[in-house]
Amino acid sequence: QITLKESGPTLVKPTQTLTLTCTFSGFSLSTSGVGVGWIRQPPGKALEWLALIYWDDDKRYSPSLKSRLTITRDTSKNQVVLTMTNMDPVDTATYYCAHRLAVAGLVGFDYWGQGTLVTVSS
Amino acid sequence: SYELTQPPSESVSPGQTARITCSGDALPKQYAYWYQQKPGQAPVLVIYKDSERPSGIPERFSGSSSGTTVTLTISGVQAEDEADYYCQSVDNSGTYHVVFGGGTKLTVL
Repeated sequence: QITLKESGPTLVKPTQTLTLTCTFSGFSLSTSGVGVGWIRQPPGKALEWLALIYWDDDKRYSPSLKSRLTITRDTSKNQVVLTMTNMDPVDTATYYCAHRLAVAGLVGFDYWGQGTLVTVSS
Repeated sequence: SYELTQPPSESVSPGQTARITCSGDALPKQYAYWYQQKPGQAPVLVIYKDSERPSGIPERFSGSSSGTTVTLTISGVQAEDEADYYCQSVDNSGTYHVVFGGGTKLTVL
């Protein structure tokens, strides 16, 4: 059974760097076709995709946030880490990690973590 | 940047059929996915590859595609279907950037 869980700070100050960790089980990020993505949702607003990392270490970023994001993986720990630099109050959101559908050519997310709320405030 | 457009809200009476649309220029070539999100919960995938239903999703949820518009249909709507619904796809840039629609709030009257 696939599970994912996000962890990281609940409060960060403006200009700081946010580091979030997604710890998962039930699959391996070394297996062909597997991917893990990050999606965020400001309070009362829509979902916004941030980044996606694949089994072969291929990485994709939201064009609007690419300069601030870095996604990495640690296959030995079953973790994916997202860093976002220069945090601003508008980055206040619930951050989710999610498992990409393990079907070639599909880029949807079939399992999601519970999400973690990150507030940016001084 | 590429956008997917959804109506902000739809309303339907119990037992009726709800249809939620999502429009985007790349949809004729890229698959669409639909998620249901209830307050305080993570999204749940209800449709993938335009019209496929994951295991455990009730048969009343279906999806279709026509040109630049995809549609999520909920037949025989139940009170528990009241939620936000998001479409998702990728752009045609060749780099497959993921895009979400703005979401539709479905109200069951």
